[in-house]
Amino acid sequence: DAEITQSPRHKITETGRQVTLACHQTWNHNNMFWYRQDLGHGLRLIHYSYGVQDTNKGEVSDGYSVSRSNTEDLPLTLESAASSQTSVYFCASSEERDSYEQYFGPGTRLTVT
Amino acid sequence: AQKITQTQPGMFVQEKEAVTLDCTYDTSDQSYGLFWYKQPSSGEMIFLIYQGSYDEQNATEGRYSLNFQKARKSANLVISASQLGDSAMYFCAMREVPRANAGKSTFGDGTTLTVKP
Repeated sequence: DAEITQSPRHKITETGRQVTLACHQTWNHNNMFWYRQDLGHGLRLIHYSYGVQDTNKGEVSDGYSVSRSNTEDLPLTLESAASSQTSVYFCASSEERDSYEQYFGPGTRLTVT
Repeated sequence: AQKITQTQPGMFVQEKEAVTLDCTYDTSDQSYGLFWYKQPSSGEMIFLIYQGSYDEQNATEGRYSLNFQKARKSANLVISASQLGDSAMYFCAMREVPRANAGKSTFGDGTTLTVKP
C-alpha cells in the first residue's frame, strides 16, 4: 500500500546543530508540504513543493530549508537548531494542485535543548 | 490572508449524543476548500470531511457532517451519536483552491473533544 513516512520519529538535538528530518512518500504525489505543530496549536506551513526542483516558502520558513531532487522525498533541514524550533513536524502530500485531500505522515517530535 | 478561528478550546459530550464543533473563517478568495481533521492522542492527523466553497449541499461522511453557512463564513462540524473513540483534538482548516496556491492549508488552533461514558 502507498504511504508517507517520516524519520526519525523522535529526535533530541542541541542548539546550533544542523538537523535533517526525512519525509518519503510512495503515492507518487507531486505536491509535498512541511508543517510544524506547537503544543496546543494547529499546524503552520513551513515549506512546500509542487514538483522536482520546485520549493516554496510557507508562513514560518525562517531557519528551515528544503530540497526536492526526486518525487518521493522532501527532506527538511534546520540549519542551526534553536529552542524555538522544538515542535512536532508533519510532512504531507497531495496528488494534484487542486486536490482537496492531503495525506499526512505520522510526525516527528523534535526537541532542541 | 486566510484565518481560521475555533473558539472552543475544549468540549464535553455524553456518549451517544450529538456535538457541534465551531469553526469560522476569513478569506477574500472566492474559491476555497474547508476541511476537518481529527488528531487522537497518538498524534496522527486523520482527514474527516471536506466542503468546497461552491458546493451547494452540506458535506456528510458517515457520522460526520459539515454545517456550511457561506454568508456567515462558518463551517461547523457535527458529530452524531458520539463514541468514546471520538475523544481527540479536532482541527478546522482551509485551503485556497486557485491553482497557483492550491495545497497550502491554514489551520485553526483546535478543539479538544472529550466524550463521557
